[in-house]
Parts: sequence; C-alpha cells; structure tokens
Amino acid sequence: DAKTTQPNSMESNEEEPVHLPCNHSTISGTDYIHWYRQLPSQGPEYVIHGLTSNVNNRMASLAIAEDRKSSTLILHRATLRDAAVYYCILREQTGANNLFFGTGTRLTVIP
Amino acid sequence: NAGVTQTPKFQVLKTGQSMTLQCAQDMNHNSMYWYRQDPGMGLRLIYYSASEGTTDKGEVPNGYNVSRLNKREFSLRLESAAPSQTSVYSCASSLIRDTEAFFGQGTRLTVV
Repeated sequence: DAKTTQPNSMESNEEEPVHLPCNHSTISGTDYIHWYRQLPSQGPEYVIHGLTSNVNNRMASLAIAEDRKSSTLILHRATLRDAAVYYCILREQTGANNLFFGTGTRLTVIP
Repeated sequence: NAGVTQTPKFQVLKTGQSMTLQCAQDMNHNSMYWYRQDPGMGLRLIYYSASEGTTDKGEVPNGYNVSRLNKREFSLRLESAAPSQTSVYSCASSLIRDTEAFFGQGTRLTVV
C-alpha cells in the first residue's frame, strides 16, 4: 500500500498563504491524491483531489509534482477556521478503493 | 441534506458487552466504509462495502462484523467488546471511485 509523509505540525499567520507539503514516493500510476481535513470533534472533510494536473477549487489549490512523488496543498489566505489536521491521502483504484490516512499535519493559525 | 449520520455519538460499554453502531447516508452512494481513529495513528479501515449486498475486510477487521442492510445503511457490530476497541469510529460513503468521500461526525466508544 502506498503511504504518505507529512510534517507533524505547521503554523501560519492569519490571512497569509499556507503551503502544506506531502511526499508519496511509492505512489502508483493510478492512485489519486486526496486531501482531507479534520476540525476538532468532527469527522474528516474533503478538501481537494487530483491525479496529475494541478487543481483549484473554492477551498484550496493542489500542486502535484511532475513525477507525482510529492504534492502541496495551498490555502491562499489562512483563516482561524482553517485550523485543523490536514491529511494527504492516496486513494487506491482497486479493491476497497480505500483512503489510506496517515497521521496528518496539524495546522495552527495565529491571529 | 443530512449526509452521513451515525448513531450513537457516544457510548460506554463494559468488557464483553455487544453493541451495533449505525450509519446511514442519504446521497444514494454505492460505497460505504467503517474506520477507527486512534491517537497518533490516523484513520484505519475496518470494513467496507463496495455496493449493496457486498462487504469486505479492511486493514483491522478482527473483533468486528458488518451488515449492509440496504443501499442507505451500513452497520458495525462489536460482539464482545474489549478495551482495545476504545476508539472513535467513523463511517464514510462515496458515490463511485475517484470521488470525494463524506464522513459522519463519529462515534466515541469507550470500553471499560
């Protein structure tokens, strides 16, 4: 099973951009890269996903390296509500189609 | 739109007791999942159901059973609870492969 590596924690000042890195050197050609976040006492919440090309949505942007061995989640202007644990996940395309969660990055937003 | 609903939200069991965690989704999703979340370990897949009428083991299935009652409902049963099953249990669903998964609020279970 492919795995991801993320920093345990990061800090950002409010209203500044945040770049959350993720390494996934053993990714297979068909694995999608998903990002979820988990606010305190809530279930995980979908943020964004992609395969090869960079992706943008209303919440964030996802930049995927050309070799797909790493990716970066970009929050363009961090708010206090963005304080959460962010998970970079590889979603397998066979079997369970499982989302393999790691331990994630705890983002602290400083007012 | 309720999304994914889990009941109960909190539960305390004594060792050896049994209980069923309920999960229902109203989004007409095909796939449903049960995860457990322990401190420092992220979420780990217990069982999943790719479609109505099918269930399969995930990473940590021992001590659990599941039932996909219909397309909407996927229940998780602990036949004889053990302290090692103290965890937060999350149910999720998704429409098809490659789409986003929706999670419930979780059930915090304590086995004493």
